[in-house]
Amino acid sequence: DAKTTQPTSMDCAEGRAANLPCNHSTISGNEYVYWYRQIHSQGPQYIIHGLKNNETNEMASLIITEDRKSSTLILPHATLRDTAVYYCIVRVLNQAGTALIFGKGTTLSVSS
Amino acid sequence: EAQVTQNPRYLITVTGKKLTVTCSQNMNHEYMSWYRQDPGLGLRQIYYSMNVEVTDKGDVPEGYKVSRKEKRNFPLILESPSPNQTSLYFCASRGDASPSYEQYFGPGTRLTVT
Repeated sequence: DAKTTQPTSMDCAEGRAANLPCNHSTISGNEYVYWYRQIHSQGPQYIIHGLKNNETNEMASLIITEDRKSSTLILPHATLRDTAVYYCIVRVLNQAGTALIFGKGTTLSVSS
Repeated sequence: EAQVTQNPRYLITVTGKKLTVTCSQNMNHEYMSWYRQDPGLGLRQIYYSMNVEVTDKGDVPEGYKVSRKEKRNFPLILESPSPNQTSLYFCASRGDASPSYEQYFGPGTRLTVT
């Protein structure tokens, strides 16, 4: 799996958009970008994933650069409940073994 | 409600006393796995199972056993727990038909071995 680099921490005001960057400069052509988050000591929660195109679901948007070397997770209207550690993971879809490799992630703190 | 459940949620035990942490999912998922999470080390996979009676080692299997006799259950067994197995444990599951690779995680089991 390709290595990812994320900032250690970020702050965001409640109601504002939270933009979480991730660098994955060694990503391969068949590797997807996944985002999970973990609210304090709870199980990780899937957010979104993408390959090339930008993606949007009810939780967030994922913007992937044209060269696919970086991406940004956007929480359009952050709330206090979005305070969590956010993990950017790149991996091949349906890879045997299916282990998710979680790095250190970005701790997002949303304040009122 | 689709979910992964783990029991117990909290456990304090002593070295050498065998214990089992149960994991159950109600989504008919084929794939299940166990992770442990330690400060500074992130989540690491212990064991995984691709289907009933099919299990394999993850990155840190030493000191653990698993079984997959039924599709919905995937218990984690510590035959002789040691203090270095004090950790936060998560069970996860995923369906083979899921194209998104989305994994569902349980709420976690915090284990302390003294």
